[in-house]
Amino acid sequence: DGGITQSPKYLFRKEGQNVTLSCEQNLNHDAMYWYRQDPGQGLRLIYYSQIVNDFQKGDIAEGYSVSREKKESFPLTVTSAQKNPTAFYLCASSTRTSGRDLYEQYFGPGTRLTVT
Amino acid sequence: EDKVVQSPLSLVVHEGDTVTLNCSYEVTNFRSLLWYKQEKKAPTFLFMLTSSGIEKKSGRLSSILDKKELFSILNITATQTGDSAVYLCAVGDSNYQLIWGAGTKLIIKP
Repeated sequence: DGGITQSPKYLFRKEGQNVTLSCEQNLNHDAMYWYRQDPGQGLRLIYYSQIVNDFQKGDIAEGYSVSREKKESFPLTVTSAQKNPTAFYLCASSTRTSGRDLYEQYFGPGTRLTVT
Repeated sequence: EDKVVQSPLSLVVHEGDTVTLNCSYEVTNFRSLLWYKQEKKAPTFLFMLTSSGIEKKSGRLSSILDKKELFSILNITATQTGDSAVYLCAVGDSNYQLIWGAGTKLIIKP
């Protein structure tokens, strides 16, 4: 079955520690995205990548970093510089062909990160 | 600044009722409007609309886009408990990015 996997489902860290969230897709999609979701707010874009070895900052990139060394993988590192890291993190992907496919994003199950 | 506003923020109805969820937007380079359903974790795609006045239907769900007044509605008829979820509206811009609303939390009581 094709899809997006994120691991782990729940993650707990102490303040000051960096943590990396995994995102893998086997949909052969070119574009991948990281969002943050907080209660009562819409999804906010952290980083996105349209092709391998290239990525762009989204609206709230400060305190986060990413890499895109393989088409299938787009890990997100939450660094100690991120002031409010506790949130629900969603990874998504989309194809880069045309029409509806450009906008329809497929989501992973998310990782809930708690930093104390 | 581009924004997408959904209303109401939450809604509680009884099974069998019809509900209407609203999404208004101010997006400079509008290309599409999408509706997603988020039950517990991953949002799942429902509809995409690009042209005004086009009504999309899928079973008990339907959606209309009004590009002149800059809004969309999502209708759910004969609601079931399985329709309980957060419904998210997003607008796609010319850079293929999605601008998201905060969502409407819908609770269907048996």
